[in-house]
Amino acid sequence: SAVISQKPSRDICQRGTSLTIQCQVDSQVTMMFWYRQQPGQSLTLIATANQGSEATYESGFVIDKFPISRPNLTFSTLTVSNMSPEDSSIYLCSVEDDRKSYFGPGTRLTVT
Amino acid sequence: GNSVTQMEGPVTLSEEAFLTINCTYTATGYPSLFWYVQYPGEGLQLLLKATKADDKGSNKGFEATYRKETTSFHLEKGSVQVSDSAVYFCALSDLGGGADGLTFGKGTHLIIQP
Repeated sequence: SAVISQKPSRDICQRGTSLTIQCQVDSQVTMMFWYRQQPGQSLTLIATANQGSEATYESGFVIDKFPISRPNLTFSTLTVSNMSPEDSSIYLCSVEDDRKSYFGPGTRLTVT
Repeated sequence: GNSVTQMEGPVTLSEEAFLTINCTYTATGYPSLFWYVQYPGEGLQLLLKATKADDKGSNKGFEATYRKETTSFHLEKGSVQVSDSAVYFCALSDLGGGADGLTFGKGTHLIIQP
């Protein structure tokens, strides 16, 4: 199994600033996913981040807005850049390990 | 805190069989309920959702009804296909300010045999 931690658990940020969310896994995993859930919406995949290659972004998400780092098999960061109130969401890190998926506790972001 | 319990499986069925994947939840507020599907090597995709008691979500032949009295959101399909083989996650979302904004079940691995 994989245990995932995220930092910060929540934050309140001002528009125009950037926030970097960290995702730490207690085991080495190849596939890692970043999602967000805006208020009242379902979970939406932002990007897939596999170690050793550039992140693959879903339609509607771009690297300039959501740069991702994946320096090793246990860690990744997602940055939300130049934030606006529309970026207020829960951001969730997930990994796939041995055909099972595990989820982090999420980061609740509020942009004012 | 919030929690979601679902059967882990694997659940193996023959094509055209009836499917039920049980999901029960514990929540302090009035959450929205979701079923997500994950195919191998891909991210989660929303399958269906329900936002209040007695709502029925449906999509691609799958259905689930939000039962507040039994705190359940069981997933059903009348006739499964091989292409339905995937992992299914029941989830609840309490974005109204609860401490546990998103809570997932452990996932049910479904295998449909021709």
